[in-house]
Amino acid sequence: QQQVKQSPQSLIVQKGGISIINCAYENTAFDYFPWYQQFPGKGPALLIAIRPDVSEKKEGRFTISFNKSAKQFSLHIMDSQPGDSATYFCAAIPSSGTYKYIFGTGTRLKVLA
Amino acid sequence: GAGVSQSPSNKVTEKGKDVELRCDPISGHTALYWYRQSLGQGLEFLIYFQGNSAPDKSGLPSDRFSAERTGGSVSTLTIQRTQQEDSAVYLCASSPGLASEQYFGPGTRLTVT
Repeated sequence: QQQVKQSPQSLIVQKGGISIINCAYENTAFDYFPWYQQFPGKGPALLIAIRPDVSEKKEGRFTISFNKSAKQFSLHIMDSQPGDSATYFCAAIPSSGTYKYIFGTGTRLKVLA
Repeated sequence: GAGVSQSPSNKVTEKGKDVELRCDPISGHTALYWYRQSLGQGLEFLIYFQGNSAPDKSGLPSDRFSAERTGGSVSTLTIQRTQQEDSAVYLCASSPGLASEQYFGPGTRLTVT
């Protein structure tokens, strides 16, 4: 069964620091790797996404790094702010034609003021 | 444009009662998903619909759960004879198609007493 393994489960970072969340997958047949941000009481919201033909994508303070050979991708949050405190989910979208997306188990980030 | 909407936002029901949860996807999105999220947990896939194809029901936890999508748009998730373990947030998401990100609604918080 396809899986996406996400780590760490929780993360505490000082304000201004770098938050790093990692995901690894076990199947090469994925087309798209989005990251979602979820605040308490809200639905997940798309944060940033990358396709496997690109090794890095940056949007503001958020960067995705993708390592195809290692089957790993990670989210970096630069200059982390207390407002970034949320749960982050990585996901992988299969290229096989199925619509059943694979989500990581989530990382709860807390940025200390 | 309008995002994914869900109703009700909160639902409290007695054990044994049936409940219906509604999802209005983004106009034009062909795929619609239902997930369940227990407190502090990840996203548990329940079912998805894609166009006129047969839905993928592989995530439904029991035959008490069912869903339908009328006219390729609005979807209803029905839980019959609710149990306390059904208490969770039920999230709906829609997607424009293959290898595309999902857009989530705010969720319905279901509490079974």
